[in-house]
Amino acid sequence: DADVTQTPRNRITKTGKRIMLECSQTKGHDRMYWYRQDPGLGLRLIYYSFDVKDINKGEISDGYSVSRQAQAKFSLSLESAIPNQTALYFCATSDPLLSGSHEQFFGPGTRLTVL
Amino acid sequence: SQQGEEDPQALSIQEGENATMNCSYKTSINNLQWYRQNSGRGLVHLILIRSNEREKHSGRLRVTLDTSKKSSSLLITASRAADTASYFCATADGGYSTLTFGKGTMLLVSP
Repeated sequence: DADVTQTPRNRITKTGKRIMLECSQTKGHDRMYWYRQDPGLGLRLIYYSFDVKDINKGEISDGYSVSRQAQAKFSLSLESAIPNQTALYFCATSDPLLSGSHEQFFGPGTRLTVL
Repeated sequence: SQQGEEDPQALSIQEGENATMNCSYKTSINNLQWYRQNSGRGLVHLILIRSNEREKHSGRLRVTLDTSKKSSSLLITASRAADTASYFCATADGGYSTLTFGKGTMLLVSP
């Protein structure tokens, strides 16, 4: 089984709809991240969480919110989706103390299209 | 804003040749990492080099870091068609808090 999973893998929705993307991990990592990827722009950080009670905004948090329901779960919500939120969304985890490394482990991504 | 900037944006080579990708960044860092992404899939960590290191090897990968020039290079030796992917550098600042990714280099290795 994959260590970092994302659901759904693909989603098409309409402008104004509320959307939730979910991320689960079995790695036991404390830190979790949400990124979006647009063609030619690389990955940009939306939100990150270093433990269940810690939530931090990233570079592009406007229009997004997150919830850290448990150590293993980190959800990203688009309260009112707009077309320029069409992108590939990635969840990632890390735990320098547990793994001894600062590397991040990525999920397979969710392709979101907002019409 | 993007911290790392990869160069070139795209690289096309033949199998067996070496591929070199460069990354420049703007502020001081704790470490620099390289990731690989196969088309539309999640990123996979390749190698990490700390700010006090100048060169690191892992299999066919060689990474260099020049903190005075704020640049790094990734060399893939004896490329294979399976190396076809996008490669991203990512920098971690002194606070170890988050990574900032560059825009990536798209590598195409033809058989």
